[in-house]
Amino acid sequence: DTGVSQNPRHKITKRGQNVTFRCDPISEHNRLYWYRQTLGQGPEFLTYFQNEAQLEKSRLLSDRFSAERPKGSFSTLEIQRTEQGDSAMYLCASSHTTGQPQHFGDGTRLSIL
Amino acid sequence: KQEVTQIPAALSVPEGENLVLNCSFTDSAIYNLQWFRQDPGKGLTSLLLIQSSQREQTSGRLNASLDKSSGRSTLYIAASQPGDSATYLCAVSPLSGGSYIPTFGRGTSLIVHP
Repeated sequence: DTGVSQNPRHKITKRGQNVTFRCDPISEHNRLYWYRQTLGQGPEFLTYFQNEAQLEKSRLLSDRFSAERPKGSFSTLEIQRTEQGDSAMYLCASSHTTGQPQHFGDGTRLSIL
Repeated sequence: KQEVTQIPAALSVPEGENLVLNCSFTDSAIYNLQWFRQDPGKGLTSLLLIQSSQREQTSGRLNASLDKSSGRSTLYIAASQPGDSATYLCAVSPLSGGSYIPTFGRGTSLIVHP
């Protein structure tokens, strides 16, 4: 069990640029979740996959946000035309089909200049 | 819509004290409740998971209880140590829908000083 891996750990970019984050889940987990966490808050759910199917995406923050999990293994989260308000920690978690417990990665810290 | 509240928001105690962290939720139709620990700049580490049919779970110096009818859970930390310093988050997963998408509280920031 190598744990959930997220890359990069930190991303600094200028407003208006596109960014992409990668998440590698625990290998036998078929569920993968994305969250956003801002300072002093708990994680806020964005979207999740079961295998390659994206089962919930209505809570993505805007149409600038999209996620993929093309082969049911790793996943990417893309933010287009970044804004100052997108600065946050983006967390990925994986689990078995039962959804619990969720195992989290260390996140990607996004800073928008 | 489920709402999760954690009290206190912050806590500073001397080493050796026994602690109680509180979590309350508004919708009692839950699948389970999970307590996490988060160190600064890191992801979440699962501490204890309580299924809706259970009343408590224990792991080492940690004990979590669940009273679903009153919408409350407590995390008890015995004989606190400086290494326990972290933010503790409570998350509740819904019973219906099959998504098990958790709702998190804002956390309790704990400092244990030597």
